[in-house]
Amino acid sequence: NAGVTQTPKFQVLKTGQSMTLQCAQDMNHNSMYWYRQDPGMGLRLIYYSASEGTTDKGEVPNGYNVSRLNKREFSLRLESAAPSQTSVYFCASRTQRGAHEQYFGPGTRLTVT
Amino acid sequence: AQSVTQLDSHVSVSEGTPVLLRCNYSSSYSPSLFWYVQHPNKGLQLLLKYTSAATLVKGINGFEAEFKKSETSFHLTKPSAHMSDAAEYFCVVSDPDYGGSQGNLIFGKGTKLSVKP
Repeated sequence: NAGVTQTPKFQVLKTGQSMTLQCAQDMNHNSMYWYRQDPGMGLRLIYYSASEGTTDKGEVPNGYNVSRLNKREFSLRLESAAPSQTSVYFCASRTQRGAHEQYFGPGTRLTVT
Repeated sequence: AQSVTQLDSHVSVSEGTPVLLRCNYSSSYSPSLFWYVQHPNKGLQLLLKYTSAATLVKGINGFEAEFKKSETSFHLTKPSAHMSDAAEYFCVVSDPDYGGSQGNLIFGKGTKLSVKP
């Protein structure tokens, strides 16, 4: 099982450039999430999508946009990258049953210079 | 509001000795609680989860955690550390009714576990 996949694995951008991070899951989950991870901060929620066709802001949404393309795919877009967006980005999807645990992708390491 | 506090940012143990990673939470509801592990330059892997079925939860790789409501704690333990346990560990709470954000997770800041030979 592939689980949650993310592309690219690494990216370097110049300030002001744009890019889209891609995420896909093959577990038929309704809910998907984007987080950023910074040293000493744990993971912070950027945006989430409770179901296909819906998206909502999380804790740190400024500077980002998202698209829930279909049930499998959830993309994160940086329209004008800033050095403060240098981080590791994780996508996750959530089970509908039981404890509702989330399953994470391998991450995208983004550096903005 | 719910929150998670991991009491130690860094824990160092010798191989073969017990591991204790401490976590306290606050939640207005009956939470689901998780421990995730992150090895260097990897994604997060679910170690174990608590959903009110049993207060002592067993996870993968010999880890377990005990939910203590009176102490609002969910500490992670392992009887004997292995070199491969060196990683960062995150205590996480899911508050089903938080702000309408069903199932959203609140992460602790992490505890880095070092294992000495």
